[in-house]
Amino acid sequence: EVQLVQSGAEVKKPGESLKISCEGSDYSLTNYWIAWVRHMPGKGLQWMGIIYPGDSHTIYSPSFQGQVTISADKSISTAYLQWSSLKASDTAMYYCARSLDGGDRQNFDYWGQGTLVTVSS
Amino acid sequence: SYELTQPPSVSVSPGQTARITCSGDALPKKYAYWYQQKSGQAPVLVIYEDSKRPSGIPERFSGSSSGTMATLTISGAQVEDEADYYCFSTDSSGDHGGVFGTGTKVTVL
Repeated sequence: EVQLVQSGAEVKKPGESLKISCEGSDYSLTNYWIAWVRHMPGKGLQWMGIIYPGDSHTIYSPSFQGQVTISADKSISTAYLQWSSLKASDTAMYYCARSLDGGDRQNFDYWGQGTLVTVSS
Repeated sequence: SYELTQPPSVSVSPGQTARITCSGDALPKKYAYWYQQKSGQAPVLVIYEDSKRPSGIPERFSGSSSGTMATLTISGAQVEDEADYYCFSTDSSGDHGGVFGTGTKVTVL
């Protein structure tokens, strides 16, 4: 059964760094794009960016460009989302989702369970 | 930046039809996708490429698109359809950045 398994919840302080992960099981991450989606408390979904683990080609939303880094290690079927200096406003649930296409037919058929990131002093 | 606009809320009685709209300037050229998100759960794809239904999604969910507006229709809404619904599409720039709509809370009561 295809699954995207995300790393566990994190509690961090402002200014700290963080890297969360999304591992694909029962399929090769290399053949699909992986997107990251933010869901802030009480707000809507936000598309952050998408990566093709096969060659690490990455597209960022202008809203998140320079704020986060999306990466992948195809050898272990894992994609990552990282911050170098967290802010309280980064508090949110973060989802990864896979798509066969990274262009204008992005189609997220499987989603991770979500990683809750809490940033508080 | 590109935006997709949805009504904040739609209310419907069980068995009636709910229609959720999604407005965006690039929709005449780009596909719309629809996701259902129930409280505390990850989103689920219910419509792709404007009007196609994934395997396992009930037939009461249908989609259409005309001009700058895409529409998700729930025909004969059930109590279990109560959720937030988001449209999704890509902008018309070369990078095909993705954008979710503002979201619609569907209440079935």
